[in-house]
This record gives sequence, C-alpha cells and structure tokens, in this order.
Amino acid sequence: AQSVTQLGSHVSVSEGALVLLRCNYSSSVPPYLFWYVQYPNQGLQLLLKYTSAATLVKGINGFEAEFKKSETSFHLTKPSAHMSDAAEYFCAVFRDDKIIFGKGTRLHILP
Amino acid sequence: NAGVTQTPKFRVLKTGQSMTLLCAQDMNHEYMYWYRQDPGMGLRLIHYSVGEGTTAKGEVPDGYNVSRLKKQNFLLGLESAAPSQTSVYFCASSYVNRVTGELFFGEGSRLTVL
Repeated sequence: AQSVTQLGSHVSVSEGALVLLRCNYSSSVPPYLFWYVQYPNQGLQLLLKYTSAATLVKGINGFEAEFKKSETSFHLTKPSAHMSDAAEYFCAVFRDDKIIFGKGTRLHILP
Repeated sequence: NAGVTQTPKFRVLKTGQSMTLLCAQDMNHEYMYWYRQDPGMGLRLIHYSVGEGTTAKGEVPDGYNVSRLKKQNFLLGLESAAPSQTSVYFCASSYVNRVTGELFFGEGSRLTVL
C-alpha cells in the first residue's frame, strides 16, 4: 500500500536560510504526490503536486519539490525562509480514490 | 466563494451523546472526505464518498457514520461520543480527476468529548 513518511516532526531554520522538509514514499509505481501547508487555526491548502509531468515541481510562495524515483523521495525546499513560512507541512499521496497524509512537519522560523 | 463550509466550528459533548457534523461544498465536486487531526498523528481519513449516495470507510472509521444524500453535503455522525473522539475534524472535497487530486478543505470543527 502506498504511504508517505515525513522525517522530523519539527524543523527550525533561521530567516533567510534554506528550508528542507523531507518526505519519502513507499510505492511500487510512480505515485501522485502532494505537499500541503496548514497555517494556525486553518484548513490545509495545496502547495504543489507531482503528477509525473516533470520531476521538479514549483509551487506557491517560492516552494518547490523534486521527485526522485531512485531515492523514493519528494523533499520540499525553499531557498530563503521567511517568517510567514512558519506553519505545518504535510506530504500526501493519492491512493485508490483517497489522499493519505504523512504525520506532518512543523516549520519554525528563527529571527 | 464559500468553498467548503463546516458546521458547527466548535462543540463540547458529554460521553455517550450523539451529534452530527455537516460539510457543504458549492464547487460541484464529486469526492468528499472526512479527516480527523490529532497532535503528532497528521490527518487520518475517517470516511469518504466518491459521489452522491455512496460512502466508503477510510483508515479510522470505527465510531463514526456518514451519509451523502445530496451531492453538495457530507454528514459525519457520532452515535455515542467517546473521549477518544476529541479531535479537530476536517472536511474536504475534490474533483473526480485523479491527476488533479487537489483537496479543498473546510476550516475545521473542534470537538471536545468530556
């Protein structure tokens, strides 16, 4: 069964530093993968999605993710963190009419 | 644009009481989902529906029932609430197109069971 694993429940980076949030998937076939973001007291919103059209996917707010089949990874990056990026981030996979989420990574931005 | 609307947004129940959460979407989406979010557990799928009149179990369906009598509405029921059902509940909807796959979420319903 397809699933995703997010490494690190909390990640702290300094403002202006590189953001790297890790996600690995388990699947025998290339899956549909997503990154969602949740700001405090809100629902989730889509950051970006991988649907096999291109391995490097660009999303909103300067985020991007690279699909690496050899590493079964779909890590989320942003070159320069901003205070407004503080939120919880979820990796997700589409499986059998359902979207299954990882446990989330809370991103803290240090001034 | 209303999008996905959940009611109520907050509710406190006593153990054994029943209640229904209502999710309404105005985007003509075929697929609708109920998730629960708990600290350190991410979002876990409770039940989902791929169209009017259909429902299916997700990862954690026990203690919950659902109905999709109208395409725009998806109801989540708790027949006999337990403290373990204290959580934040999110409804989401999406188009049929699997390639698109994007979920549109409501703002959540915070339920406390005493």
